[in-house]
Order: sequence, then structure tokens, then C-alpha cells
Amino acid sequence: DAKTTQPPSMDCAEGRAANLPCNHSTISGNEYVYWYRQIHSQGPQYIIHGLKNNETNEMASLIITEDRKSSTLILPHATLRDTAVYYCIVRAGVGAGSYQLTFGKGTKLSVIP
Amino acid sequence: DAGVIQSPRHEVTEMGQEVTLRCKPISGHNSLFWYRQTMMRGLELLIYFNNNVPIDDSGMPEDRFSAKMPNASFSTLKIQPSEPRDSAVYFCASTPDGRGNSPLHFGNGTRLTVT
Repeated sequence: DAKTTQPPSMDCAEGRAANLPCNHSTISGNEYVYWYRQIHSQGPQYIIHGLKNNETNEMASLIITEDRKSSTLILPHATLRDTAVYYCIVRAGVGAGSYQLTFGKGTKLSVIP
Repeated sequence: DAGVIQSPRHEVTEMGQEVTLRCKPISGHNSLFWYRQTMMRGLELLIYFNNNVPIDDSGMPEDRFSAKMPNASFSTLKIQPSEPRDSAVYFCASTPDGRGNSPLHFGNGTRLTVT
């Protein structure tokens, strides 16, 4: 019962922007969009999350469409260290299940020199 | 900020032995999670604690698995007896509270190999 759909893999040239898409067409009004990444042999690393508005932090930008059915994670200047599996996750904002963070298969991003 | 600390980083044991994995959450975080990652099943939630109380243990595979949180700064995940199919990477995560606007922060995991 996947709530998100991501491409299994993507390549990006070093120094260029990496744009990772995610579809979440069944998202409900109180659900957040979260992005995590997992570099080989490490734990998942929190990147960013948002509800309706676009968000930016020191790692990335999150662009959420107006209908909230899809989003894009943008790494503005990809480096080799950004090679990882990127997970897009929809998470309830309130209610009994709001602690749930359910990981799918993610997108394997390879940054190419 | 030391982050979530897990020990040991690697554990190799023989089938039938007891295994104990340890986790120290980020100070001040009231919610703690144990996840397991395998190639076949990906990342799965095993158990969730809030204020040291287990709230959801529906992901615990079977009675061989048990988890405790005796205080706000320490949790254990125990497998007794261990089996080869328990081989996986086990992650601990914590968050200030269990609400949806509060990101989880993960440790670097314990890689368990049961021979």
C-alpha cells in the first residue's frame, strides 16, 4: 500500500542540480511530505519536510505542487557525497498514527564525476 | 549534539545465542523507535516508545524479540534465541515527540550477523 511513487534510479552530473520527483496523489490535507536519504552503511538522514509551502534549508529545497499530489526535492549543486538512496515519505500530521514513518524503496541517486 | 548512539556497530553471533542491541537517544527526545533493514523487506518499524512506554510493538516479528526503555536515555532490543534470519541492520531513531511535524533522527545502526 505505497503512498508514494519514485523512480528507482537517477543519475546527475557533479555540480549540477539534482531534481528528484515524487508522486503522492492520495495525500490528505494533514499529511506531511518528508525526504530522507541513506548513504551506504549509514542510518537514514533527515533532509527536509513540508506541508503545503515550498521549503528550503541548508541541504535542499522542497517544491510541492499546488494540488499537493507531487513534489520535487532539489539538491542545488550535487557532489559525489550526495550519492545515496533518497526516500520520499508521506506522514500523518496529527492523530494516532502520526508517529509512523514508513519507508518505500526510494530513488538511488548516482552523482557522476 | 552527539546524535543517536547505537552499540555495538557490528555483532556476529551463533544461532541460539542471546543478542542485545543498545541505543542512546538524543537528549530531550521523548520518542524512540527501533527499525530493521534487510534487502528483502527494506526498512521496517519494529517498535515505538513514547515517554519510555511502548506504544506500538506490532512490528516485532515474534516472541524472540523484546525491547525495553528503562529510562529516557537508554533502550535495548533483545533477541533470544537468535536465528540466521534475524541477520539485518537494526536502527534506532528518536524525535522530540511522536507528532507528524517532528523529524526522526537515526543512529548509524548495528549490523547483526547470525551464523
